[in-house]
Amino acid sequence: AQSVTQLDSQVPVFEEAPVELRCNYSSSVSVYLFWYVQYPNQGLQLLLKYLSGSTLVESINGFEAEFNKSQTSFHLRKPSVHISDTAEYFCAVSDRAAGNKLTFGGGTRVLVKP
Amino acid sequence: DADVTQTPRNRITKTGKRIMLECSQTKGHDRMYWYRQDPGLGLRLIYYSFDVKDINKGEISDGYSVSRQAQAKFSLSLESAIPNQTALYFCATSDLGGANTGELFFGEGSRLTVL
Repeated sequence: AQSVTQLDSQVPVFEEAPVELRCNYSSSVSVYLFWYVQYPNQGLQLLLKYLSGSTLVESINGFEAEFNKSQTSFHLRKPSVHISDTAEYFCAVSDRAAGNKLTFGGGTRVLVKP
Repeated sequence: DADVTQTPRNRITKTGKRIMLECSQTKGHDRMYWYRQDPGLGLRLIYYSFDVKDINKGEISDGYSVSRQAQAKFSLSLESAIPNQTALYFCATSDLGGANTGELFFGEGSRLTVL
């Protein structure tokens, strides 16, 4: 069964500083990769996804993630965070061999400080 | 209006009570899911349904049941609630079509507290 590990449960960061959220998964065979964001008191929203093609994917609000098949990783980065980026971020993997059911990591809570 | 609507948004109940959480969607998706979210554990799949006649257990189905009343409606029941079922519950949908990638569309969540 697929497993997803987010190594950091909490990441405090100052405004305008860079941030990296790490995500590793157990199987690299035929997967789709996602990052979801959950703002306070809201549901999860898709932030970005890797389906195929370029291994670097970007979101509209400045986040990017890189698919690394050899390291089975899909780390999320942003070069300069804003207060509004305070949220919990979830990495998720869809295993095509298992009917594309999503498996989620434990989440990383990002707290942006002024 | 939200594409995926959950009711109630918040519920406090007592041990042993029967609870139903309801989900309706206007996205026209065939697949619907129920997840629970616990701090540090991410989201764990309780049940999922690929169509009205197809119900499947997820990784933590014990103590829960579901009903897919229509393509657009999927309800989760706790027959006899217990305190460790206190959690945030999410309904989600995905497209069964040819472009299905597993991407999910979530409701806003139902916070359940069992005393």
